[in-house]
Amino acid sequence: DGGITQSPKYLFRKEGQNVTLSCEQNLNHDAMYWYRQDPGQGLRLIYYSQIVNDFQKGDIAEGYSVSREKKESFPLTVTSAQKNPTAFYLCASTQGVGGVEAFFGQGTRLTVV
Amino acid sequence: AQSVTQLDSQVPVFEEAPVELRCNYSSSVSVYLFWYVQYPNQGLQLLLKYLSGSTLVESINGFEAEFNKSQTSFHLRKPSVHISDTAEYFCAVSEIGYQKVTFGTGTKLQVIP
Repeated sequence: DGGITQSPKYLFRKEGQNVTLSCEQNLNHDAMYWYRQDPGQGLRLIYYSQIVNDFQKGDIAEGYSVSREKKESFPLTVTSAQKNPTAFYLCASTQGVGGVEAFFGQGTRLTVV
Repeated sequence: AQSVTQLDSQVPVFEEAPVELRCNYSSSVSVYLFWYVQYPNQGLQLLLKYLSGSTLVESINGFEAEFNKSQTSFHLRKPSVHISDTAEYFCAVSEIGYQKVTFGTGTKLQVIP
């Protein structure tokens, strides 16, 4: 079945450590996204990529980095510069420009202690 | 810039009663509109979407939403809710011709037995 796989589902890290969240899709979608979800704040866009080897900052990119070396993969690194990294992270993908359904992964809950 | 407002953060409703979840958007151009549903600790799933044509759109599980251009609204309704409808619902907007999707802050629907 086609879809988006995020791993791991739960992740614990010590403060000051970088951590990388995985996102893989087999939908052959061109565009991929990372969102952060906090209670009562909806989904906030961190980074998005419309094509391989290209990506753009979203609304809250500070403290995060991404890469898009392959069409099916869009990993997110949460760096030590991110002031409040504990959150639920969602990866999504779309095909085409605007007006199309976004397919989401199951999310990764990151807890920094 | 596009924006979405979901005024109700939580909506409690008794089982088999009707419900309306409100969504208003702001945009200077034509838009596509979406409702997504999220169950606890999961990703988002598309519930229904308005792209063009009939302003009333329906989902397979009894929800419907009506696009009202003059009021810039896309409220979600269901005539009779079930316990299984308990979830968080997100309204989203995408400006035609652009890749970015903006999400509202979400409305938690709590169905009371």
